[in-house]
Amino acid sequence: KNQVEQSPQSLIILEGKNCTLQCNYTVSPFSNLRWYKQDTGRGPVSLTIMTFSENTKSNGRYTATLDADTKQSSLHITASQLSDSASYICVVSGDSNYQLIWGAGTKLIIKP
Amino acid sequence: GAVVSQHPSRVICKSGTSVKIECRSLDFQATTMFWYRQFPKKSLMLMATSNEGSKATYEQGVEKDKFLINHASLTLSTLTVTSAHPEDSSFYICSARRTGTNTGELFFGEGSRLTVL
Repeated sequence: KNQVEQSPQSLIILEGKNCTLQCNYTVSPFSNLRWYKQDTGRGPVSLTIMTFSENTKSNGRYTATLDADTKQSSLHITASQLSDSASYICVVSGDSNYQLIWGAGTKLIIKP
Repeated sequence: GAVVSQHPSRVICKSGTSVKIECRSLDFQATTMFWYRQFPKKSLMLMATSNEGSKATYEQGVEKDKFLINHASLTLSTLTVTSAHPEDSSFYICSARRTGTNTGELFFGEGSRLTVL
């Protein structure tokens, strides 16, 4: 069964600290993996998209990694800011770009 | 950048009425748009795939007569919740895939919160 599991479910860290969010998937075949940031009451915003051959991709303070062998991905946030408080959703694309398997998300709270 | 606009952002209606939500790609053409529903503290659930000029493809369990989707142009798709009931209250989000790309990158609207009294 195609699944995407994220951990932790929620995370609270102090402003300025780093954190890493995890995503494990069992989607096959695999096309690409995406990380989205969703602020409460807003639509998701794309952070990164990685294909099978990409191991790491950065977008500012966000760095995503992908291990296609172990089917794991992580999103590392450096020097967190209050505005990073949001839900981070891992989405895996299966045999076409239209088949998206959504993770439940990690709710990140940054405290001053 | 690619911008997708949804309107209205919030709507409150009485039970039994119909509500139309618009999804527009402002600076690109979108052959395909997607409609999602999101419950509190849950991830997005795909409702249907909207293709310009043809009928929408609905996910299993989504009533096509309840949630009418029209994709009349390359920049506009609409979702109409017919005869709305309180259980239809939810956050509805659309996304659009830019025509001509093969990366599959999706651009999301800001969402529309529907409250049915």
